[in-house]
Amino acid sequence: DGGITQSPKYLFRKEGQNVTLSCEQNLNHDAMYWYRQDPGQGLRLIYYSQIVNDFQKGDIAEGYSVSREKKESFPLTVTSAQKNPTAFYLCASSATGNQPQHFGDGTRLSIL
Amino acid sequence: GENVEQHPSTLSVQEGDSAVIKCTYSDSASNYFPWYKQELGKRPQLIIDIRSNVGEKKDQRIAVTLNKTAKHFSLHITETQPEDSAVYFCAASTRSNYQLIWGAGTKLIIKP
Repeated sequence: DGGITQSPKYLFRKEGQNVTLSCEQNLNHDAMYWYRQDPGQGLRLIYYSQIVNDFQKGDIAEGYSVSREKKESFPLTVTSAQKNPTAFYLCASSATGNQPQHFGDGTRLSIL
Repeated sequence: GENVEQHPSTLSVQEGDSAVIKCTYSDSASNYFPWYKQELGKRPQLIIDIRSNVGEKKDQRIAVTLNKTAKHFSLHITETQPEDSAVYFCAASTRSNYQLIWGAGTKLIIKP
């Protein structure tokens, strides 16, 4: 959806390095989400945020951190504690809970 | 915990035939059921959704049916075309929950 922008499209991480994935939305949505997708697999929730300055852990939050300082932005940091970060990362937003989630184009993260 | 089971994991149909994908949910409070289509390397895109106060919804060649008593919902695609080849995900959520509970996905293959 044109209203959600993820960057970069491809990202490479060195051992011991933290990297940050950007997600920006101009849909005026309250809720934002981060998912991880491994090859041939489904979507697993990392973190979600219902409102500015608030966020909750999803099913696989270990090794990741987020912030929600602005309504339109929900960056995800993949820390060095995440030992297997290679995956396709998808950001989504929805007007509120229980509403359609709209996805960005994703970021592919690989280890150098 | 809450769970959504999706079947089959792979479905191969002849072009022009119909395809049906089924999902079963565990939380009787679930009231929102979206379906997403994900083409290879792309983001998931919402194709149709249904709420618990409706038993069926159609959009051209796509329809979704909901059986609240049995706690299952199905995606029906008629007159399948090559561009329908993709992975389809079902999901469920409740009014009080910002999370979508996702099915594992169905790879739909349209044979020429």
